[in-house]
Amino acid sequence: NAGVTQTPKFRILKIGQSMTLQCAQDMNHNYMYWYRQDPGMGLKLIYYSVGAGITDKGEVPNGYNVSRSTTEDFPLRLELAAPSQTSVYFCASSLRTGDGYGYTFGSGTRLTVV
Amino acid sequence: LAKTTQPISMDSYEGQEVNITCSHNNIATNDYITWYQQFPSQGPRFIIQGYKTKVTNEVASLFIPADRKSSTLSLPRVSLSDTAVYYCLVGRGAAGNKLTFGGGTRVLVKP
Repeated sequence: NAGVTQTPKFRILKIGQSMTLQCAQDMNHNYMYWYRQDPGMGLKLIYYSVGAGITDKGEVPNGYNVSRSTTEDFPLRLELAAPSQTSVYFCASSLRTGDGYGYTFGSGTRLTVV
Repeated sequence: LAKTTQPISMDSYEGQEVNITCSHNNIATNDYITWYQQFPSQGPRFIIQGYKTKVTNEVASLFIPADRKSSTLSLPRVSLSDTAVYYCLVGRGAAGNKLTFGGGTRVLVKP
């Protein structure tokens, strides 16, 4: 059982560069989410998806883009990286919400923008 | 989205019971209460979820009073490995639910 797999685990980007954070789940979950966590803080929702082809913005979407072409994959794209995007990024998925169904999180991608 | 308030930190000792109370005064009728645990350098882990009264699993218990304006996560007989940040979240059990993580409660278990 792989669960939620995130790649890469670590990355250093220069200001202005772009990259894609990969997220894949093998649990056939409908819902997928991207969060960022700054040091010592809680998690902030960037984007989420309720199914293939459907995405929507969370609290902090600026500077990011997502796509959901399949149920399994939910990549997060950073365009024109800025130091403010230095953070740990977590991808999560859930079958549905409520009735004891929580999120399953990946192990995170630690991104530094210099 | 319902706002939650929980203590910033708590200290405890091995073998003790730890109770963390979360306030959510504007909880909506179809909102669920969910708790997560997060260790350093890891993603949060789902602990328990409830709607009303009491829920218990192999890890914790969740107590929810009748008015549902607060909830208490109870960790029985904690060990050093229970040192973590615990998040209380409130949100709907419907499509497109967007759970908001606050600052959480840092629990330190001492020997």
